[in-house]
Amino acid sequence: GAGVSQSPRYKVTKRGQDVALRCDPISGHVSLYWYRQALGQGPEFLTYFNYEAQQDKSGLPNDRFSAERPEGSISTLTIQRTEQRDSAMYRCASSLTGTAIQETQYFGPGTRLLVL
Amino acid sequence: AQSVTQPDIHITVSEGASLELRCNYSYGATPYLFWYVQSPGQGLQLLLKYFSGDTLVQGIKGFEAEFKRSQSSFNLRKPSVHWSDAAEYFCARGPLLTGGGNKLTFGTGTQLKVEL
Repeated sequence: GAGVSQSPRYKVTKRGQDVALRCDPISGHVSLYWYRQALGQGPEFLTYFNYEAQQDKSGLPNDRFSAERPEGSISTLTIQRTEQRDSAMYRCASSLTGTAIQETQYFGPGTRLLVL
Repeated sequence: AQSVTQPDIHITVSEGASLELRCNYSYGATPYLFWYVQSPGQGLQLLLKYFSGDTLVQGIKGFEAEFKRSQSSFNLRKPSVHWSDAAEYFCARGPLLTGGGNKLTFGTGTQLKVEL
């Protein structure tokens, strides 16, 4: 597609439910990143993939958070047993090769998650 | 830990006035630095980036930024602000080392309001 897309754009869930957030990167982009942005804060790194391999998951806050990219394209970020503190904007980004440190990351519009 | 600081949470300028948004970083002799803009309902858009060479970097939409190693700063400037520049601006830096992935560390953002 023309840009990075994310779905759903808004998600309201009850505490304890599982949610799955989807990211569709720019076609052909090797690297895919997930960030979380709390209100009034900048995005914080969660995890990233090169192709289907998860290269770094150091930013995932706990084991309720997981991500996958099974075919090296679309990625899903899953949050199990959601808690109110998980409420945030979840942003996905992709980049062409992931090998150049100054390479541009292209961001999607984000998924706004609200846990009641 | 490496960090990015944006001292100004909110800035208000009149349309046509000049603009300077501050950004300071810690750690790293040669940081890779970025400025992103976030408009309501949109994803983060890259304005400009610095990784080496000329310390004055030109970006899109008439923005520029100057890297000053002595001050650990990478301030964003625009000579004449337009009402459409009202948005949130994020400064970010890349990782300290090559081969460590391209995860970005963001500042907390500066919200720009433009008065007509």
